Formats: sequence, C-alpha cells, structure tokens
Amino acid sequence: GNSVTQMEGPVTLSEEAFLTINCTYTATGYPSLFWYVQYPGEGLQLLLKATKADDKGSNKGFEATYRKETTSFHLEKGSVQVSDSAVYFCALSDKKTGGSYIPTFGRGTSLIVHP
Amino acid sequence: NAGVTQTPKFQVLKTGQSMTLQCAQDMNHEYMSWYRQDPGMGLRLIHYSVGAGITDQGEVPNGYNVSRSTTEDFPLRLLSAAPSQTSVYFCASGRTSGGSTDTQYFGPGTRLTVL
Repeated sequence: GNSVTQMEGPVTLSEEAFLTINCTYTATGYPSLFWYVQYPGEGLQLLLKATKADDKGSNKGFEATYRKETTSFHLEKGSVQVSDSAVYFCALSDKKTGGSYIPTFGRGTSLIVHP
Repeated sequence: NAGVTQTPKFQVLKTGQSMTLQCAQDMNHEYMSWYRQDPGMGLRLIHYSVGAGITDQGEVPNGYNVSRSTTEDFPLRLLSAAPSQTSVYFCASGRTSGGSTDTQYFGPGTRLTVL
C-alpha cells in the first residue's frame, strides 16, 4: 500500500534560519505529492504540490522537488519567519488505475520558529 | 466561494448523547471525507464518499455514521458519544480524476468534548 514518512518534530529554529522537513513516500502508481500547512486552531490548507517527477512546487518562499529516484519530496525554505510556525503535512494521491481515492497523509511535523 | 464549512465550531456532549456534525462544500467536489485529529496521532480517516449516494468506511469508523444525499453535504453522526470520541474533527473535499483525488480542501474543524 501507499505510505508517507515525515521527520519527527518538533523542529525548532531561530528566525531567518534555513528549513528542511524531510518526506519520503512509497506508492504503487504515479502519485501527485502535496505539502499542507496547519496553523494553530485551523484546518489544513494546501502549501504546494507537484504532479510528476522532477516538478518543483513553490509557494510563500517554500519549495519542494518531486524526486522519483529517491521517492522524496522534502520541504525547504531559505529563511523562516515566526509566522511560519505551524504543523506541516506531506501527502500523496495515487493515480494508479483502479487505485483508491483516499489520499495518504504523513503524521505531520511541528515547526516552531523563535524570534 | 465559501469553500468547506463546518458547524458547530465547538461542542460539549455527555456520554451517550448523539449529535450530527455538519459539513458542506460549494465547489462541486465529488470526494468528501471526515478525519479526526488527536495529539500525536496525525489525521485518521473516519468515513469518505466519492459521490452522492456512495459512502465507505475509513480507518476508524466505529461509532460514526455518514450519509451523502447531495453533492454539497456530508454530515457525520455520532450515535452514542463516548469520551474516546473527544477530538478535533475535520471535513475535507476534493475533485476526483482517474481514480485518485486532487488537492484536499479542509474545513476549519469542530472541537468536540465528551464528558
């Protein structure tokens, strides 16, 4: 079956530090990959996505590249801000013929950014 | 577009009471789902639907019922509330294509406490 593995948190950084949150996946088909962000007290919202190998998704200074050879989709940001403090979820949606409609989510990684 | 709306935002129940959590979306999405989120457990899928009249069980369906009479609405019923159902509940929706789902749109959540 499909699975998504994220690094355990919390990740604690100082403002303006470089961020990497690792995400690896297993899938039987040809998945689309997503990063969602959940701010305190809110629902998840899409941060960025990539639909095929070597695609780079980007939004709000965050980037992630779909690496089929390493089955990874690591999230990066060059300079984090206090307002980036949130929980980040990696997810996949498998486009395999006859596959399940259910997207697969990682457990989430909490990011705490200190001034 | 209002997106995905959930009511109520907060609810306190006594053990054994029943209630319905409401979810509606105005994006004409075929796929809708309910998750619960507990500390350290990530998102756990309760039930999902791929269209009006079609529902199926997720990972943790016991104690919950759903129905999908229209594309827009997907209510979640707690039959006899138990303290173990204290959680934050999220409804989500997304388009389907080729046997998988695209970006998931989440509601703001319902915070339920069962005493």
